This record gives sequence, structure tokens and C-alpha cells, in this order.
Amino acid sequence: ILNVEQSPQSLHVQEGDSTNFTCSFPSSNFYALHWYRWETAKSPEALFVMTLNGDEKKKGRISATLNTKEGYSYLYIKGSQPEDSATYLCASSNNAGNMLTFGGGTRLMVKP
Amino acid sequence: NAGVMQNPRHLVRRRGQEARLRCSPMKGHSHVYWYRQLPEEGLKFMVYLQKENIIDESGMPKERFSAEFPKEGPSILRIQQVVRGDSAAYFCASSRRDRAAGEQYFGPGTRLTVT
Repeated sequence: ILNVEQSPQSLHVQEGDSTNFTCSFPSSNFYALHWYRWETAKSPEALFVMTLNGDEKKKGRISATLNTKEGYSYLYIKGSQPEDSATYLCASSNNAGNMLTFGGGTRLMVKP
Repeated sequence: NAGVMQNPRHLVRRRGQEARLRCSPMKGHSHVYWYRQLPEEGLKFMVYLQKENIIDESGMPKERFSAEFPKEGPSILRIQQVVRGDSAAYFCASSRRDRAAGEQYFGPGTRLTVT
């Protein structure tokens, strides 16, 4: 994998459903994986930063896991609420530099 | 503690004019990053600066674009002789420490429209 890729591109769920999406990233020279939540017309909001293989992080109903050997991370949302509607971005960094390489995002829409 | 501030939020320029985008990092942050989002594309890294130093400008177009982060005042992204293809959202982020394991906090962006 040469780029950071996210799937699906968009997702519609009903309120109360649990959902998850995927981020794939280059595993060579991996340094850190970031998840952001981005609402329209607002700043991307940092959710998690993970560095170690097997890392799991949780914030309320949102959690994330990391597999650095195979180059993927999952973001889970338990019991989706309309206010969870946003674009969820992942970004990776490698040992070579300080920049984040972003995926295209997963746009989540939660229907009441 | 105010977040990352960017101004203006919206900027309209005619082809050939100059655009100046400003970014004030969060208090206590000395590392600034600029990213660009072209229409229908994701966020792409442009440049990473510390106070008075450009550390990594590998994502900056070779011509017309420059960035600075002076000892005092905000970071400035400057685009000379703008063209229609420069129309995009430009985001600034700041962090307390280097290496991208530190969280980068983003501003709301400046939406540049070139007419």
C-alpha cells in the first residue's frame, strides 16, 4: 500500500446502530496513526494518536484499534447518534518526517 | 485556551493577485504545519515550520508559494500571482512537539477562491 486509504467513502446508518470503518496505510517505516473527526465548516478534531501494534484507544462510544504489521486501523462507533454525523479522517506518519498523510475520509450520516 | 486561529476564513482574489493566509498556533505550540485541500481531494501536506525555520517544504509547489513563521506573530502562507488552480481550502495545524506522534490541532481553514 503506497497511500492512506479509507473505506467506505460514505456510510448511512440509523440512530442506535453500531458501525466501523477502515484505514489502510503503508506499514514500512510506520511511526504513528491519527484519527480525526471533521464536521462541515469546523476544524478537524483530533480523536486518537496510536503508535504501537495492538494499540486500542477509547473515547466514550468511539474506539480505535491498530495493526502496524499489516497496515490497518479500525474505528468503531457504538450506538451511533445523529451528532456523530461527520467525516472521519485517518492520517499516518513515517519515520522520515513530520507530515501527516491523510486518507480521503469516511463520511458518516446517522439518521434519527 | 484558544485553538488554532486562521484568517481570513474566506479570501477572494483575481488571477495575478497575491494571497496572504495567516495562522496563529495554539498557545505554547512552536510547530506549525500547512495543508491544502483541493476540490474533491483530501488534505495534502505542504510545509512544516518551527519559529524562524522551514523544516520540511517537500509538499510546497516550487514556484509562487512561500511560508514563514517569524519569531513574533503568526505564520504566513503567501501565494504570489494566484491562478484558478490555487482555489482550495488551506488548513494550518500546530503541535507542541515535533515528530508526528504528537497531536496536531487544526484551525478552521481559509477558503481561497481565485476568479
